[in-house]
Amino acid sequence: DQQVKQNSPSLSVQEGRISILNCDYTNSMFDYFLWYKKYPAEGPTFLISISSIKDKNEDGRFTVFLNKSAKHLSLHIVPSQPGDSAVYFCAASEGNFNKFYFGSGTKLNVKP
Amino acid sequence: NAGVMQNPRHLVRRRGQEARLRCSPMKGHSHVYWYRQLPEEGLKFMVYLQKENIIDESGMPKERFSAEFPKEGPSILRIQQVVRGDSAAYFCASSPGEGLVNSPLHFGNGTRLTVT
Repeated sequence: DQQVKQNSPSLSVQEGRISILNCDYTNSMFDYFLWYKKYPAEGPTFLISISSIKDKNEDGRFTVFLNKSAKHLSLHIVPSQPGDSAVYFCAASEGNFNKFYFGSGTKLNVKP
Repeated sequence: NAGVMQNPRHLVRRRGQEARLRCSPMKGHSHVYWYRQLPEEGLKFMVYLQKENIIDESGMPKERFSAEFPKEGPSILRIQQVVRGDSAAYFCASSPGEGLVNSPLHFGNGTRLTVT
Protein backbone atom coordinates (compact mmCIF):
# COMPACT_ATOMS: atom_id res chain seq x y z
CA ASP A 1 0.00 0.00 0.00
CA GLN A 2 2.08 2.85 -1.35
CA GLN A 3 0.24 5.80 0.15
CA VAL A 4 3.04 8.24 -0.59
CA LYS A 5 4.74 8.17 -3.98
CA GLN A 6 7.76 9.86 -5.43
CA ASN A 7 7.68 8.97 -9.09
CA SER A 8 11.05 10.41 -10.05
CA PRO A 9 13.87 8.26 -8.72
CA SER A 10 16.47 10.83 -9.73
CA LEU A 11 16.88 14.45 -10.74
CA SER A 12 19.91 16.31 -12.08
CA VAL A 13 20.15 20.11 -11.85
CA GLN A 14 22.81 22.69 -12.56
CA GLU A 15 24.20 24.63 -9.63
CA GLY A 16 22.31 27.90 -9.12
CA ARG A 17 19.15 26.68 -10.80
CA ILE A 18 15.91 25.57 -9.17
CA SER A 19 15.37 21.97 -8.04
CA ILE A 20 11.76 20.81 -7.89
CA LEU A 21 11.03 17.51 -6.18
CA ASN A 22 7.53 16.10 -6.36
CA CYS A 23 5.44 13.86 -4.15
CA ASP A 24 1.92 12.47 -4.47
CA TYR A 25 -0.27 10.87 -1.83
CA THR A 26 -3.49 8.91 -1.87
CA ASN A 27 -4.85 9.24 1.66
CA SER A 28 -7.01 12.37 1.96
CA MET A 29 -6.78 12.11 5.76
CA PHE A 30 -3.09 13.02 5.76
CA ASP A 31 -2.72 16.42 7.33
CA TYR A 32 0.98 16.85 8.06
CA PHE A 33 3.78 16.53 5.55
CA LEU A 34 7.54 16.52 5.88
CA TRP A 35 10.59 16.53 3.66
CA TYR A 36 13.77 14.79 4.73
CA LYS A 37 17.22 14.81 3.22
CA LYS A 38 19.47 11.79 3.43
CA TYR A 39 23.16 11.38 2.74
CA PRO A 40 24.67 7.90 2.26
CA ALA A 41 25.34 6.03 5.52
CA GLU A 42 23.46 8.63 7.55
CA GLY A 43 19.95 8.91 8.91
CA PRO A 44 17.33 11.17 7.32
CA THR A 45 17.57 14.79 8.41
CA PHE A 46 14.41 16.84 8.78
CA LEU A 47 14.24 19.74 6.30
CA ILE A 48 10.86 21.37 6.27
CA SER A 49 7.23 20.61 7.06
CA ILE A 50 3.77 21.82 6.17
CA SER A 51 0.38 21.23 7.72
CA SER A 52 -2.77 20.87 5.69
CA ILE A 53 -4.09 24.25 6.78
CA LYS A 54 -1.38 25.91 4.69
CA ASP A 55 -0.47 25.71 1.03
CA LYS A 56 3.07 27.03 1.30
CA ASN A 57 5.90 27.08 3.81
CA GLU A 58 9.26 28.69 3.26
CA ASP A 59 12.57 28.31 5.07
CA GLY A 60 15.54 29.95 3.44
CA ARG A 61 16.27 28.29 0.12
CA PHE A 62 13.61 25.63 0.72
CA THR A 63 9.90 26.05 -0.01
CA VAL A 64 7.25 23.36 0.24
CA PHE A 65 3.98 23.69 -1.66
CA LEU A 66 0.87 21.69 -0.87
CA ASN A 67 -2.01 21.18 -3.28
CA LYS A 68 -4.66 19.32 -1.28
CA SER A 69 -7.13 18.94 -4.11
CA ALA A 70 -4.48 17.25 -6.25
CA LYS A 71 -2.97 15.41 -3.26
CA HIS A 72 0.39 16.70 -4.33
CA LEU A 73 3.28 18.41 -2.66
CA SER A 74 6.56 19.69 -3.96
CA LEU A 75 9.85 20.90 -2.58
CA HIS A 76 11.60 23.79 -4.31
CA ILE A 77 15.28 24.48 -3.67
CA VAL A 78 16.52 27.83 -4.95
CA PRO A 79 19.33 28.29 -5.71
CA SER A 80 20.54 24.69 -5.78
CA GLN A 81 24.02 24.01 -4.42
CA PRO A 82 26.30 20.96 -4.86
CA GLY A 83 25.91 20.26 -1.13
CA ASP A 84 22.20 19.70 -1.74
CA SER A 85 23.04 16.49 -3.60
CA ALA A 86 21.34 13.78 -1.57
CA VAL A 87 18.24 11.60 -1.52
CA TYR A 88 15.07 13.48 -0.59
CA PHE A 89 12.13 11.73 1.02
CA CYS A 90 8.64 13.10 1.50
CA ALA A 91 6.54 11.76 4.35
CA ALA A 92 2.95 12.18 5.50
CA SER A 93 0.96 11.47 8.64
CA GLU A 94 -2.64 11.54 9.73
CA GLY A 95 -3.90 13.19 12.86
CA ASN A 96 -1.93 13.08 16.07
CA PHE A 97 -0.43 9.69 15.49
CA ASN A 98 3.02 10.67 14.31
CA LYS A 99 3.15 7.51 12.21
CA PHE A 100 4.70 8.64 9.00
CA TYR A 101 4.44 7.08 5.56
CA PHE A 102 7.47 7.69 3.38
CA GLY A 103 7.93 7.90 -0.34
CA SER A 104 10.69 5.92 -2.03
CA GLY A 105 12.93 8.96 -2.42
CA THR A 106 14.36 11.09 -5.20
CA LYS A 107 18.11 11.27 -5.65
CA LEU A 108 19.09 14.85 -6.43
CA ASN A 109 22.40 15.57 -8.13
CA VAL A 110 23.42 19.22 -8.31
CA LYS A 111 26.20 19.68 -10.84
CA PRO A 112 28.80 22.39 -10.25
CA ASN B 1 25.67 14.50 21.30
CA ALA B 2 22.01 14.86 22.18
CA GLY B 3 20.78 13.21 18.99
CA VAL B 4 19.23 9.79 18.49
CA MET B 5 21.92 7.19 19.07
CA GLN B 6 21.85 3.80 17.43
CA ASN B 7 24.26 0.95 17.85
CA PRO B 8 25.85 -0.93 16.41
CA ARG B 9 26.28 0.93 13.11
CA HIS B 10 26.98 -2.30 11.30
CA LEU B 11 25.93 -5.80 12.30
CA VAL B 12 26.74 -9.02 10.50
CA ARG B 13 24.84 -12.16 11.41
CA ARG B 14 24.69 -15.64 9.94
CA ARG B 15 21.34 -17.09 9.00
CA GLY B 16 19.57 -18.41 12.09
CA GLN B 17 21.31 -16.12 14.57
CA GLU B 18 19.69 -13.34 16.55
CA ALA B 19 20.16 -9.63 15.90
CA ARG B 20 19.71 -6.98 18.57
CA LEU B 21 19.57 -3.34 17.54
CA ARG B 22 19.63 -0.60 20.14
CA CYS B 23 18.30 2.94 20.10
CA SER B 24 18.53 5.74 22.62
CA PRO B 25 16.14 8.58 21.82
CA MET B 26 16.95 12.26 21.96
CA LYS B 27 17.00 13.76 25.41
CA GLY B 28 13.49 14.63 26.48
CA HIS B 29 11.85 12.39 23.88
CA SER B 30 9.59 9.65 25.13
CA HIS B 31 8.41 8.13 21.84
CA VAL B 32 10.47 5.84 19.67
CA TYR B 33 9.82 4.58 16.16
CA TRP B 34 11.57 1.90 14.15
CA TYR B 35 11.74 2.03 10.35
CA ARG B 36 13.36 -0.34 7.88
CA GLN B 37 14.87 0.60 4.54
CA LEU B 38 15.42 -2.17 2.04
CA PRO B 39 17.87 -1.52 -0.83
CA GLU B 40 16.50 0.97 -3.37
CA GLU B 41 13.32 1.52 -1.34
CA GLY B 42 11.91 4.11 1.03
CA LEU B 43 11.54 3.81 4.76
CA LYS B 44 8.84 1.46 5.96
CA PHE B 45 7.24 1.91 9.36
CA MET B 46 7.67 -1.02 11.70
CA VAL B 47 6.70 -0.09 15.25
CA TYR B 48 5.95 2.86 17.54
CA LEU B 49 6.67 2.65 21.25
CA GLN B 50 6.44 4.67 24.40
CA LYS B 51 8.21 3.69 27.60
CA GLU B 52 6.98 0.19 28.49
CA ASN B 53 4.21 0.34 25.87
CA ILE B 54 3.84 -0.68 22.26
CA ILE B 55 1.52 1.85 20.65
CA ASP B 56 1.44 0.57 17.08
CA GLU B 57 3.20 -2.50 15.71
CA SER B 58 1.24 -2.79 12.49
CA GLY B 59 4.42 -2.73 10.39
CA MET B 60 6.21 -5.50 12.23
CA PRO B 61 6.44 -8.93 10.62
CA LYS B 62 4.29 -11.34 12.61
CA GLU B 63 7.11 -13.72 13.41
CA ARG B 64 10.70 -13.37 14.60
CA PHE B 65 10.54 -9.60 15.17
CA SER B 66 9.92 -7.92 18.50
CA ALA B 67 10.54 -4.51 20.02
CA GLU B 68 10.64 -3.06 23.48
CA PHE B 69 11.29 0.25 25.17
CA PRO B 70 11.86 -0.46 28.86
CA LYS B 71 11.51 2.03 31.66
CA GLU B 72 15.28 2.23 31.89
CA GLY B 73 17.65 1.88 28.97
CA PRO B 74 17.43 1.99 25.22
CA SER B 75 14.77 0.66 22.91
CA ILE B 76 15.66 -2.74 21.45
CA LEU B 77 14.61 -4.19 18.12
CA ARG B 78 15.14 -7.92 18.19
CA ILE B 79 15.18 -10.21 15.18
CA GLN B 80 15.33 -13.91 15.90
CA GLN B 81 16.55 -16.54 13.45
CA VAL B 82 17.58 -13.98 10.87
CA VAL B 83 17.22 -14.72 7.16
CA ARG B 84 18.90 -13.07 4.18
CA GLY B 85 15.76 -11.01 3.49
CA ASP B 86 16.25 -9.24 6.84
CA SER B 87 19.35 -7.52 5.45
CA ALA B 88 18.49 -3.82 5.47
CA ALA B 89 19.15 -0.52 7.18
CA TYR B 90 17.13 -0.15 10.36
CA PHE B 91 16.48 3.40 11.49
CA CYS B 92 15.24 4.55 14.83
CA ALA B 93 13.52 7.89 15.32
CA SER B 94 12.18 9.73 18.32
CA SER B 95 9.71 12.49 19.02
CA PRO B 96 8.76 14.48 22.10
CA GLY B 97 5.55 12.59 22.72
CA GLU B 98 1.91 13.17 23.40
CA GLY B 99 0.36 16.56 23.36
CA LEU B 100 2.75 17.79 20.77
CA VAL B 101 0.86 17.66 17.52
CA ASN B 102 2.68 17.69 14.24
CA SER B 103 6.25 17.31 15.36
CA PRO B 104 8.85 15.84 13.01
CA LEU B 105 10.70 12.66 13.76
CA HIS B 106 14.41 12.85 14.50
CA PHE B 107 16.36 9.94 13.12
CA GLY B 108 19.51 8.16 14.16
CA ASN B 109 22.17 7.09 11.67
CA GLY B 110 20.79 3.59 11.47
CA THR B 111 22.09 0.06 11.88
CA ARG B 112 23.00 -1.75 8.70
CA LEU B 113 22.24 -5.43 9.17
CA THR B 114 23.85 -7.92 6.84
CA VAL B 115 22.80 -11.56 7.00
CA THR B 116 25.25 -13.97 5.44
